[in-house]
Amino acid sequence: EVQVVESGGGLVEPGRSLRLSCTASGFAFGDYVMTWVRQAPGKGLEWVSFIRSKANGGTTEYAASVKGRFTISRDDSKRIVHLQMNSLKIEDTALYYCSRSNKLDRDPDAFDIWGQGTIVAVSS
Amino acid sequence: QSALTQPPSASGSPGQSVTISCTGTSSDIGAYNYVSWYQQHPGKAPKLILYDVTKRPSGVPDRFSGSKSGNTASLTVSGLQAEDEADYYCCSYAGSNTFLVFGGGTNLTVL
Repeated sequence: EVQVVESGGGLVEPGRSLRLSCTASGFAFGDYVMTWVRQAPGKGLEWVSFIRSKANGGTTEYAASVKGRFTISRDDSKRIVHLQMNSLKIEDTALYYCSRSNKLDRDPDAFDIWGQGTIVAVSS
Repeated sequence: QSALTQPPSASGSPGQSVTISCTGTSSDIGAYNYVSWYQQHPGKAPKLILYDVTKRPSGVPDRFSGSKSGNTASLTVSGLQAEDEADYYCCSYAGSNTFLVFGGGTNLTVL
């Protein structure tokens, strides 16, 4: 079965760090761009970060709201993508989804596989 | 405030058609044919229902269709069914600086 499963969420104080993980199965993980999308409570979807496949440089991109604080990485041998979140703010509170781009040959514009998400709550 | 503008709610009776709009700018929807739509039921992950403006992933009923004119994309759900009641989000590619923008979502009610 093609799936991704997120983990690592939790309750953390402002200014602290948290690392999310996304473990993939059922597809050629290394060929795909992987993306984190978040959803604040009762709110809409917001793109956070993505990492290109090694074939496309393995480079990373970030939304302006998290640039300089979050770092995305991938380990293709373990089929896992991480999101290291530093200097967390209250407004980072959200359900964080890991998702797969539906295309191999360009930057992501649609996501066909989603996990169930992991909750990050930032509060003092 | 979301980058793409959607109406907060929409409704229709079973069997009817409903159209949800998604308005962006000449830098996102107007510039690229990379609009996607997602259906999200309460407590569930989003599900891709349209991509590249008009294309349906395998398994998505042809009751779901998409279009685009200028800076506005639209999702039409025909032959409304009770299970179509959900939140719907649009998304557009926005170039190599912003990359991706989402709409604020539309809650579709089947009366």
